[in-house]
Order: sequence, then C-alpha cells, then structure tokens
Amino acid sequence: QLQLQESGPGLVKPSETLSLTCTVSGGSISSDSNYWGWIRQPPGKGLEWIAIINNSGTTYNNPSLKNRVTISVDTSKIQFSLTLSSVTAADTAVYYCVRYSSSLGCFDPWGQGTLVTVSS
Amino acid sequence: DIQMTQSPSSVSASVGDRVTITCRASQGIRSWLVWYQQKPGKAPKILISVASSLHSGVPSRFSGSGSGTDFTLTISTLQPEDFATYYCQQASSFPLTFGGGTKVEIK
Repeated sequence: QLQLQESGPGLVKPSETLSLTCTVSGGSISSDSNYWGWIRQPPGKGLEWIAIINNSGTTYNNPSLKNRVTISVDTSKIQFSLTLSSVTAADTAVYYCVRYSSSLGCFDPWGQGTLVTVSS
Repeated sequence: DIQMTQSPSSVSASVGDRVTITCRASQGIRSWLVWYQQKPGKAPKILISVASSLHSGVPSRFSGSGSGTDFTLTISTLQPEDFATYYCQQASSFPLTFGGGTKVEIK
C-alpha cells in the first residue's frame, strides 16, 4: 500500500525559505501516469493546491504563489520536495504531500500532513 | 482560474438522514470532479472521482452525479462516521482548485 510521509521544519522565519520533503513507501515513484505534489491548508480553512511534478520533471505550479515555489523529485531516493521562498505568516498551514493521478484527476493517497508555522 | 462553489457551507443532520451537497464550477468541467472527506486533524480521503465513480473501499451510501458545471454528492443514509467536512475539486484545468468545503454536523 502506497504511503507518503512529510518531513521538514515546523517553524520558519518570515522572509526565509520553507523546505519540505515527502518520502514514498510501498510503491514506485516512476510511473508516467502519476504526478507527485503538495497541497496546503491554513488552520481552520480550505485546501489550496500548490504544485505537482512527474518523474520526467514536468511540473505544474499554482500561479497564485507567484513563482515562489520549486518542486523536485529524486527517483533514486523515492522522495520529492517542495521549497517555498519569501514566506510570510500567510504561508502558515498544514502541508500535505500527495500523489496525483492524471488519468482520474484526483489526489490519492495523502500524507498525514505537517504543520509549518511562519513566525519570528 | 475555475472557481468551485459549494453549498451549503454547513448542514446539520441526524443519523439516518439523506444529505445532499452541491458543487458548482464557474465554467464547464465536463466530468472532471472529485469529492473528498476530511475529519478533524486528518488528511482528506478520496470518495469519488470523475463525478460519479466511487473509489475502492468507499461505502455505497455515497454517490456523486453531475456534469458540466453542476455536481452533487449524496449520502443516502447518514452514519455516525460520516460527520466530517466534504470538499469538491476540479481537474479540468490548471490551477487545480477546491471548493470551500461543506461541514456535516450532528443535529
């Protein structure tokens, strides 16, 4: 059974860069029909898609994050990563790593999520 | 961007009730609509993809319908474990977008 697990700092200072890694277990990261990505949820609010990437390096980003996002995949480590630059308090959220099926248009499974707080 | 509008934002219901949640897209998305369930402190879980296809392991009391701009999620007989927040998501075009959520609460 495919499982995803986020890791990274829980506290980031304003103007700095948030970096998260997702480790995939129980399956391959190399399927061409799958993308790997990130979704976030500010406390008490709804879901916001951030970005996805496939094993060929094709990426799609949410323009609302104004080029602050970098997503990458390391197939040898079965990991993918997110960096978000110039963070502010508005970037405080639970960050989920996900698999995106391009054939069904859905996110499944999801990691358990990791809370990242932006504060000095 | 395609805006997804869910209604109601919350609904109070009793065990055994039939509950219907609506999701409207700001432009046509054919059947590229997904439904998720989220319980407090947990990650969302997929219920339905391509508007009406029940995900493996999801109880048959959940059903989805619609195409174009108007979609519904129906819980035929509400169970205690169904009290949660439900989100729709469109997969027709980037950026992928979610509805604002519908919280199903105990009456």
